[in-house]
Amino acid sequence: AQKVTQAQTEISVVEKEDVTLDCVYETRDTTYYLFWYKQPPSGELVFLIRRNSFDEQNEISGRYSWNFQKSTSSFNFTITASQVVDSAVYFCALSEPVSGGYNKLIFGAGTRLAVHP
Amino acid sequence: GAVVSQHPSRVICKSGTSVKIECRSLDFQATTMFWYRQFPKQSLMLMATSNEGSKATYEQGVEKDKFLINHASLTLSTLTVTSAHPEDSSFYICSAFGQGASYEQYFGPGTRLTVT
Repeated sequence: AQKVTQAQTEISVVEKEDVTLDCVYETRDTTYYLFWYKQPPSGELVFLIRRNSFDEQNEISGRYSWNFQKSTSSFNFTITASQVVDSAVYFCALSEPVSGGYNKLIFGAGTRLAVHP
Repeated sequence: GAVVSQHPSRVICKSGTSVKIECRSLDFQATTMFWYRQFPKQSLMLMATSNEGSKATYEQGVEKDKFLINHASLTLSTLTVTSAHPEDSSFYICSAFGQGASYEQYFGPGTRLTVT
């Protein structure tokens, strides 16, 4: 069965520190998608990235970067030079195919990041 | 990007009453929508898959008669919590797929339900 593990429940850093959020997944599918979402205190999910299983290239977007390694079934997320506005809960998710050609998402437990001034 | 709205954003109701939550895709048609529930400081748990024009598919452990889902049009799905109890208090989030992108889900802003 599909599963997403985010072992870090809470992380606390001081502004400008780099921080890495870990995500390990399990799936039997050969084609799948991995996602990261940010959930600020308002509750609305903010889409950060989608990666398909055939694309192992690392990605950088501003202060955000992602490291996808199929060999270890990991899709880690790094924030460089963290800022207070980065404080939120971050979810890693894995797609699971359902009938009709769509995919439902299996979410990890989330990592609560607190960035202090 | 595609926009999904939810109404209401917050609702407080008394125990025993029913509450309806609407999920709308504003600028695209969504044949499939998903309903999630999130308890405080927990992850999102999928409750059901809502299919336009057919019955919803519920996840294991979710009571069909308690959480009624109707997807009557390509832009609207509703979740009705019947005979609500305090333990139903939660954050309910819907998502919808945009046309032509089976892997792309667009999430609504969520509805916070408090049952007193």
